[in-house]
Amino acid sequence: QQQVKQSPQSLIVQKGGISIINCAYENTAFDYFPWYQQFPGKGPALLIAIRPDVSEKKEGRFTISFNKSAKQFSLHIMDSQPGDSATYFCAASDNFGNEKLTFGTGTRLTIIP
Amino acid sequence: EAGVAQSPRYKIIEKRQSVAFWCNPISGHATLYWYQQILGQGPKLLIQFQNNGVVDDSQLPKDRFSAERLKGVDSTLKIQPAKLEDSAVYLCASRTSGRAVEQFFGPGTRLTVL
Repeated sequence: QQQVKQSPQSLIVQKGGISIINCAYENTAFDYFPWYQQFPGKGPALLIAIRPDVSEKKEGRFTISFNKSAKQFSLHIMDSQPGDSATYFCAASDNFGNEKLTFGTGTRLTIIP
Repeated sequence: EAGVAQSPRYKIIEKRQSVAFWCNPISGHATLYWYQQILGQGPKLLIQFQNNGVVDDSQLPKDRFSAERLKGVDSTLKIQPAKLEDSAVYLCASRTSGRAVEQFFGPGTRLTVL
């Protein structure tokens, strides 16, 4: 019940296109859903996060869509750039992020010219 | 603001040997986490500290792993004895108190057990 399932495992998108990564969770106690970006040799860094009281959050080219009834959330990267090439992890936590993060398995995103 | 510091960055040991990792969190961050990230997987929490007390160590293999956080600041994670399956990146993260607050990750220590 603590799992967060992430797909796809890898994704190749043309420059300027839209990258979409999906996650699903089972634990209805989760109430904080961040996305992390990780470059090789670096630790994960927070990209954007959402609480379940809203269905969408947008920051620049990055948007989280959240469907509470389906227990799914997704990351959309608009106008994808080569610099966006990285591994992306969805995560979930309860107690408003005061508890541990449960991570998805990651998506390796490659943006090609 | 300085980030989370970890050392060493890389470590290669033989199985059954011991190894220790060190973490210095961001100044003022009361909560500290150690995660294990196996190649191709997401980070998995090993232990969470609040100041110098343990909040969650349910996924820490206590027969071989130990961790401490002296004076509520720096932390060390130790593996004794190491197994081949311990090969992974060990990430330290910290955050300040409050709701929906970002966890800041260090660069990690890549451990290879031969």
